[in-house]
Amino acid sequence: DAGVTQSPTHLIKTRGQQVTLRCSPISGHKSVSWYQQVLGQGPQFIFQYYEKEERGRGNFPDRFSARQFPNYSSELNVNALLLGDSALYLCASSFPTGAGHNEQFFGPGTRLTVL
Amino acid sequence: AQKVTQAQTEISVVEKEDVTLDCVYETRDTTYYLFWYKQPPSGELVFLIRRNSFDEQNEISGRYSWNFQKSTSSFNFTITASQVVDSAVYFCALSAAYNFNKFYFGSGTKLNVKP
Repeated sequence: DAGVTQSPTHLIKTRGQQVTLRCSPISGHKSVSWYQQVLGQGPQFIFQYYEKEERGRGNFPDRFSARQFPNYSSELNVNALLLGDSALYLCASSFPTGAGHNEQFFGPGTRLTVL
Repeated sequence: AQKVTQAQTEISVVEKEDVTLDCVYETRDTTYYLFWYKQPPSGELVFLIRRNSFDEQNEISGRYSWNFQKSTSSFNFTITASQVVDSAVYFCALSAAYNFNKFYFGSGTKLNVKP
């Protein structure tokens, strides 16, 4: 079975540009979460989407936005890029049930470099 | 507020030595989950273990073992007879009842196992 996939693998942008990152969850998973991992730090939560609705948001500016599509894939958009947005962006999928928590499976990430 | 602290930034050991990675967490929730993930140089987070707050039993999986102590808010990870392939960054993470898909990660411990 395919795991979580993300595209592109690497991306180079300049300050002020906009970027769109894509994530396809594991088949059957309905929840997608996005994390930002700056070099040398742990991942920081950005968004969680479940059944196409935003269910959680981290402490990130409005330049960051996301959406989830009917097939449960997701896009993360970042506008007006800053040098500090350079990071590894990780997507995670899970299959939440009413019974409680399920583990998250992470994709390989998209490495964004802002020049 | 939720917080995870991994005080050890980097640890170096020689192959076959035992090594313990420390994790201390803070949460006011009575229901929460703790995790350990491994991040090799490729960048993908690999799930190692999940514990819920009601299960303080220690767990052993091959050369890996975990010690969960609610009294000290710690969830430590021990690798017995370390191998070069264990070299990676290890993250401890916490998720709480109000949003189990929102993970709080520690800053990670980089483990170097030398031959």
